[in-house]
Amino acid sequence: KNEVEQSPQNLTAQEGEFITINCSYSVGISALHWLQQHPGGGIVSLFMLSSGKKKHGRLIATINIQEKHSSLHITASHPRDSAVYICAVRSDRFAWEYGNKLVFGAGTILRVKS
Amino acid sequence: NAGVMQNPRHLVRRRGQEARLRCSPMKGHSHVYWYRQLPEEGLKFMVYLQKENIIDESGMPKERFSAEFPKEGPSILRIQQVVRGDSAAYFCASSPRSVGTEAFFGQGTRLTVV
Repeated sequence: KNEVEQSPQNLTAQEGEFITINCSYSVGISALHWLQQHPGGGIVSLFMLSSGKKKHGRLIATINIQEKHSSLHITASHPRDSAVYICAVRSDRFAWEYGNKLVFGAGTILRVKS
Repeated sequence: NAGVMQNPRHLVRRRGQEARLRCSPMKGHSHVYWYRQLPEEGLKFMVYLQKENIIDESGMPKERFSAEFPKEGPSILRIQQVVRGDSAAYFCASSPRSVGTEAFFGQGTRLTVV
């Protein structure tokens, strides 16, 4: 079993829909990242969370440390949101020593149709 | 402040040749991480370096792969005697200190071995 599991693997939505992508992890963590990757493109950091909730524009990320679960929400989705969304965690084991070494989920492929 | 710069963006090598991938971290960042994304797979950690030191190379294949981050100049990921299975996207990330910081990724180098 992977340490970081994402669901769904693939998601197709109509423009304007509210989207939720889920991430569950099995290790103790010091931080969780949500990343975005466009086809053939680089990786952009959307959020870094260690507790609670963060919002940036139409994107909202939440984390529940006790349940080891995080969600990424996109409100009023748009075709330009089409990308792969990746959840990554930084283990709290030897965090000071191993820095920002990340363990990644497999990614969720999102396609928003107009 | 330029972001994390990787070059080349695309690299084609014949089997048996050497591949050199470069990563210049963001200004002021002294921690560099290399990750590999195989086709249809998620990102995997390869190596974590600080200036002149390899901190964690637990994700590096035992043979043919090496990495360095010299006092001056970019970090280099070197793959000797490349094989078709080395074809992947290689991403570099940097951070200013070991913990508690955002992950800043480069655009990646897409290596194709023919």
